[in-house]
Parts: sequence; C-alpha cells; structure tokens
Amino acid sequence: EPEVTQTPSHQVTQMGQEVILRCVPISNHLYFYWYRQILGQKVEFLVSFYNNEISEKSEIFDDQFSVERPDGSNFTLKIRSTKLEDSAMYFCASSESQGGSGELFFGEGSRLTVL
Amino acid sequence: AQSVTQLGSHVSVSEGALVLLRCNYSSSVPPYLFWYVQYPNQGLQLLLKYTTGATLVKGINGFEAEFKKSETSFHLTKPSAHMSDAAEYFCAVSRPNQAGTALIFGKGTTLS
Repeated sequence: EPEVTQTPSHQVTQMGQEVILRCVPISNHLYFYWYRQILGQKVEFLVSFYNNEISEKSEIFDDQFSVERPDGSNFTLKIRSTKLEDSAMYFCASSESQGGSGELFFGEGSRLTVL
Repeated sequence: AQSVTQLGSHVSVSEGALVLLRCNYSSSVPPYLFWYVQYPNQGLQLLLKYTTGATLVKGINGFEAEFKKSETSFHLTKPSAHMSDAAEYFCAVSRPNQAGTALIFGKGTTLS
C-alpha cells in the first residue's frame, strides 16, 4: 500500500542550527503538507504546497521556515535557525488532486529535539 | 474560521464497554469531518470521514461517527472496546470542495 515516508525519524540539534526534514509523499498525490505536534499538544497545521508553491500557511510558519520540492519526489521542511520551542514531532502529509474527499495521508513523523 | 473542540483529553473504558469520544466543530459552511487515530510512535491513520450523504459513517476497526448538523457534532463511537483501541484520537475539519485544503485538528483524546 502506498505510504508517506519521512526521514529522519529522530533528530537532535543545537539551538541556532539549521535542520532539514525530508518527506516522500505518495507518488500520484499533488498536495503536500507539514504539520507539527508539540509534546502533549494538538496537531498544528504549518503549510500546504501545490504546483511548486505554497498554497496556504499558518501563523506558525514564519520566515525561519521554508519548504521545497527539489526533485519531484522529495518534499522538505527547512528550519533555518532552530529554537528550543521548535522541539516537536513534525508530520508530512499528502493528498490527491481534484475530486479527492480531502483525506490526508500522513507519514510517521520526524521528532526534532532542540537543545 | 474553522475549529474543532474535543471534550475530554483522556477517556478510560473497560474492555467490552462502549467507547464515546466527543467532537464539536465550528464552521461557516458545512464541513468535511474526519477522525484520525495515532498509535504510539506511529503517524496519523484515517478512521473515518464524513463528506456528504449519509450522516452515520462507518470506519475501520468497528468505529462509527454521526454527523449532527443541529448539534455541530461528530462524536466517535464503538460498541465494544478492545485493548488494541488504546491510542490517541483526533477529530479534524476541512473546507469542502477545495482540494488541497488543510485539515484543522482538535487537541486529541487519549483512549485507554
């Protein structure tokens, strides 16, 4: 069964360092998303991406965050200068094109720990 | 703006007992509604969804949910709980007929 895969599963970094989280969405999906879940809190929307550009973003997705699809298969989230409060589980998701019911398919997440 | 409220951050039931997880939504238009489950150290898996049509929807693992517009609710139920149902459950809402729209999640309910 097709699935969304994410790497790394866990990354530990020092405050101020750059981090790149990688995702391989389901191959025929055209919409891509990043969500984060701070420990004990709800799953929060960060950004959605379609046709090589951001289609929607939340207030959380500020200038320290960026996304790109560098090679047609990977979808990356970059955090330029990590802060302690960026420690969270980051989930990538993808969904079908027009005609889909809106279901998002999620990866297993990348846990980011900022020290 | 859309939002989701899940009443009860923790719900504990005995094996074989009824499971009821509550979800209320706020939306300016009739939304699409979803329940996702998260098992320990795993991603989010779709349990069931309501888009249009029948208001009682059945999902995987014996779960079902009923969309009640008058109550703006989409509560999740299962007649008989099983040990394997222990997980985090998230209710989510999205805008209908807009491919690529983001899901907005509730805070989640831990079922034990």
